[in-house]
Amino acid sequence: AQSVTQPDIHITVSEGASLELRCNYSYGATPYLFWYVQSPGQGLQLLLKYFSGDTLVQGIKGFEAEFKRSQSSFNLRKPSVHWSDAAEYFCAVGPGARAGSYQLTFGKGTKLSVIP
Amino acid sequence: KAGVTQTPRYLIKTRGQQVTLSCSPISGHRSVSWYQQTPGQGLQFLFEYFSETQRNKGNFPGRFSGRQFSNSRSEMNVSTLELGDSALYLCASRRDRGHNEQFFGPGTRLTVL
Repeated sequence: AQSVTQPDIHITVSEGASLELRCNYSYGATPYLFWYVQSPGQGLQLLLKYFSGDTLVQGIKGFEAEFKRSQSSFNLRKPSVHWSDAAEYFCAVGPGARAGSYQLTFGKGTKLSVIP
Repeated sequence: KAGVTQTPRYLIKTRGQQVTLSCSPISGHRSVSWYQQTPGQGLQFLFEYFSETQRNKGNFPGRFSGRQFSNSRSEMNVSTLELGDSALYLCASRRDRGHNEQFFGPGTRLTVL
């Protein structure tokens, strides 16, 4: 069965500091990986995705993530955090686009707090 | 292009009642999925509909049901509400096969008293 682990429940960083959010996955086939962000009271916004090819993927809002198959990881990074990045971040894994049915499996999320 | 819309945004019900939540996908999207989000269990998959057919179902009791209409709009129903059903219910749409990205609505916050 597929699973996603986000080891850090809560992270606090200072504005302008770099950020790395960890994600490890377990998936039987080729994983399709996603990072979503959720602001309080809002739905999920897709930050970036990895399907194949270059293992370093760029997303919106200056985020990037690196896929490492050997470590079953897909960590999210940002070189300089802004106060508006404070939110909860979810890593997710899903099946290929041609799958007969489709569901995402999410990690428990990492809440990011930013100190001005 | 409008995003995924969900109505109502907030609901308060009492135990034993039933509730219906509505979701309108992005225009042209034929797949609609529902997820339940709670502080304890996180985001859990409820079911997926495609072309008015339930294609996949998560591990939830039969009190949770859904349907999809010919215009791809979807509803989910929860009967005999329990306190533990209090959650944020998120709807997500996807174009169809060949497209991996799911786009989420703002959710419906259900509170069961």
